[in-house]
Amino acid sequence: EVQLVESGGGLVQPGRSLKLSCAASGFTFSNYYMAWVRQAPTKGLEWVAYISAGGGGTYYRDSVKGRFTISRDNAKSTLYLQMDSLRSEDTATYYCTTLSPNGAYWGQGTLVTVSS
Amino acid sequence: DIVMTQSPTSMSISVGDRVTMNCRASQNVGSNVDWYQQKTGQSPKLLIYKASNRYTGVPDRFTGSRSGTDFTFTISNMQAEDLAVYYCMQSNSYPFTFGSGTKLEIK
Repeated sequence: EVQLVESGGGLVQPGRSLKLSCAASGFTFSNYYMAWVRQAPTKGLEWVAYISAGGGGTYYRDSVKGRFTISRDNAKSTLYLQMDSLRSEDTATYYCTTLSPNGAYWGQGTLVTVSS
Repeated sequence: DIVMTQSPTSMSISVGDRVTMNCRASQNVGSNVDWYQQKTGQSPKLLIYKASNRYTGVPDRFTGSRSGTDFTFTISNMQAEDLAVYYCMQSNSYPFTFGSGTKLEIK
């Protein structure tokens, strides 16, 4: 059974850091590009960052560039999102996903709340 | 960034209805548009990829089409379990961008 399980969300003050993890199982993680997509409360979906299968290529939306870092450990089948200098507008549920028609897998999401 | 203008924002429909929604890309995205379904409290699910290809296991009442930069998603025979918000997403260039969503509600 394919699973993507996010963890690491929670309440954090503005300006602080948080690191999300996404543990994959049931498919060959190292064959897939991986992405983080977020959804603010009651809002739509927003693509955040993407990493190539080998980890050598990364892409970010402008609003997180320089603050967020996507990475992966293929030996552990785990995706990460290091989030620094967090802002209130980063408050959202963060999903990890393959975004691939060769296996479109999504996690259940982890909620990040940025508030003082 | 490419803007995906999705319409309508919401629709009131009845079971058995034919439902059509649209996304217009602000520039050429080829056929690199996917359609997702998100039910309340759940993660999104891929239904259509590259404009018109049905994802594995998706019922054939869901279809997608393209005309230039206009993309159409259709549910031919609305079922109660299809109540959800539907999003288009372009994957032609970074950053990938989603439409604002179309919410289907029962009339």
